Amino acid sequence: DQQVKQNSPSLSVQEGRISILNCDYTNSMFDYFLWYKKYPAEGPTFLISISSIKDKNEDGRFTVFLNKSAKHLSLHIVPSQPGDSAVYFCAASASPYSGGGADGLTFGKGTHLIIQP
Amino acid sequence: KAGVTQTPRYLIKTRGQQVTLSCSPISGHRSVSWYQQTPGQGLQFLFEYFSETQRNKGNFPGRFSGRQFSNSRSEMNVSTLELGDSALYLCASSLYRQGSYNEQFFGPGTRLTVL
Repeated sequence: DQQVKQNSPSLSVQEGRISILNCDYTNSMFDYFLWYKKYPAEGPTFLISISSIKDKNEDGRFTVFLNKSAKHLSLHIVPSQPGDSAVYFCAASASPYSGGGADGLTFGKGTHLIIQP
Repeated sequence: KAGVTQTPRYLIKTRGQQVTLSCSPISGHRSVSWYQQTPGQGLQFLFEYFSETQRNKGNFPGRFSGRQFSNSRSEMNVSTLELGDSALYLCASSLYRQGSYNEQFFGPGTRLTVL
């Protein structure tokens, strides 16, 4: 049973446009959410996070939105740049004491973002 | 500040063997977690160590074990390797702050191939 779902395995966006990556979760205990970016042969790189007490968090070109009632979050990248081409993972946590909890971080299966020139 | 380092980066083993992977966290980080990444299952949590104690554990068989040393460095061990253990094993460290959320920072991973 997948508790964190990224339903789009891939997404193609033109350079300069907005990229919107979506993530849904089922576990109501999740209260902290993170986005990671991963290039081939490298570990995931932390991008941005949001706790359940907020519905939006911005960091430069990256904004994460959280809709708790819908159990949905999204990552917006504006404007999209060629270097943004990577796999993006959504992750969720239920523990305030670490990046993970009893189950560690629960990850979605990722969305491969391709930025076209 | 140096990032999370993992050794070795690549490893080839045969079925039935055992393997030990090593992880050095970011300086000052006391929590180390391990994850397995496979094409079919994605990133799955193995276990987390803090202050030399396993604090959390994922849903993996007992063949997967780990430990943490007093300098926060961690090792994970897989015994009696199976073909399905072929994966990218990722280590992540985080700064422990009680009552606060802590982002995990990942190393580059160890690519294990079991033949």
